[in-house]
Amino acid sequence: QVLLQESGPGLVKPSETLSLTCTVAGSSINGGYYWGWIRQSPGKGLEWIGSFYHSGTTYYSPSLKSRLTISVDSSKNEFSLKLNSVTAADTAMYFCARVDIAVAGFPFDNWGQGTQVTVSA
Amino acid sequence: EIVVTQSPATLSVSPGEGATLSCRASQSVSSNFAWYQQKPGQAPRLLIYAASTRATGIPARFSGSGSGTEFTLTISSLQSEDFAVYYCQQYDNWPPSWTFGQGTKVEIK
Repeated sequence: QVLLQESGPGLVKPSETLSLTCTVAGSSINGGYYWGWIRQSPGKGLEWIGSFYHSGTTYYSPSLKSRLTISVDSSKNEFSLKLNSVTAADTAMYFCARVDIAVAGFPFDNWGQGTQVTVSA
Repeated sequence: EIVVTQSPATLSVSPGEGATLSCRASQSVSSNFAWYQQKPGQAPRLLIYAASTRATGIPARFSGSGSGTEFTLTISSLQSEDFAVYYCQQYDNWPPSWTFGQGTKVEIK
């Protein structure tokens, strides 16, 4: 069973950096997968933030690319998101998820439960 | 960047009736298309991948079809547990990116 668990501060001040970690159990970060972050603003739909492949290559949403860094700690089987210069528009539920490249069409087949982040002074 | 347009925004259906949800991609995505179900307070759950393949454990009343730019999710006979929000999603293979539709809320009529 694959389990993903997001963690990080629930409250971030405007202009500061939002930092989240996704800890993975039951699946190796270094396997044939993409790992990614998706967010959902209050009452809104899903927005892909960015993903990385086990080779270390990262792919970012064009709208967030200038503020975003996704990194990996293979020794801990976890990956992280850093989004800088946050505003109230970054308030959202943040999910981490996995894509198995053996599954046709590359869908997100396993998701974390999500963590709520609020940007407020 | 590929844009995915989902319709309708809300669908009112009586239990036992069928429902058809649609998505359109701004350019061809072949069959790199998926559908998810999301209930309040939960993460999305994968229903359909590769446009028409049911994910593990998904009942046969859920079916997906389409390719290229037009995709459909059909629920043949809605059960109480099917009332939820449904999202479609495309995958673009270079550079890799994923885009979701705006969602369709399926509510009890």
